[in-house]
Amino acid sequence: NAGVTQTPKFRVLKTGQSMTLLCAQDMNHEYMYWYRQDPGMGLRLIHYSVGEGTTAKGEVPDGYNVSRLKKQNFLLGLESAAPSQTSVYFCASCSDSGANVLTFGAGSRLTVL
Amino acid sequence: GQNIDQPTEMTATEGAIVQINCTYQTSGFNGLFWYQQHAGEAPTFLSYNVLDGLEEKGRFSSFLSRSKGYSYLLLKELQMKDSASYLCAVTDSNYQLIWGAGTKLIIKP
Repeated sequence: NAGVTQTPKFRVLKTGQSMTLLCAQDMNHEYMYWYRQDPGMGLRLIHYSVGEGTTAKGEVPDGYNVSRLKKQNFLLGLESAAPSQTSVYFCASCSDSGANVLTFGAGSRLTVL
Repeated sequence: GQNIDQPTEMTATEGAIVQINCTYQTSGFNGLFWYQQHAGEAPTFLSYNVLDGLEEKGRFSSFLSRSKGYSYLLLKELQMKDSASYLCAVTDSNYQLIWGAGTKLIIKP
């Protein structure tokens, strides 16, 4: 039972490069989220999805795009990476928004030089 | 604005008891969560409170007072493996989770 799997775990980018983070869950969860975690700050929501084919902006969506073409996958894209996007990114999923008990992936550490 | 406050860091001794406080100001309230996060790892769910009172789960308990906008996480019989960050999060009126910055708990032998 894999839960939530994120790839890659580590990545170093140069300013202006693009990349995609992949999140896959095998729990048949409807809701999926992308967060970033920076020192001294709480988790901040980038984008989220309430079901296959849907996406919505979170608290800090600028510079990121997402897609949810399949229920089990939620992709986070950086079109033109900036040093301010250096962070640890966590994907999470849950079965509904009410109870909101999130299952997190292991995280992806991204460094933008 | 919405805000969750918790101490940045706390230190406690193995075998002792520690209480981690969380105060919140949010637009509406639909539940409060505590998550544990070991260094370099993902957050994992610890507890959920939606009604006032104490929820006990083994060595860990969580308390909520909605009128005071206050919660605490109580850890008993501390073990070295309890060294981690503890994250408080509140679900607001739109069912969005608002996260505190976390409390880093250091356990000393």
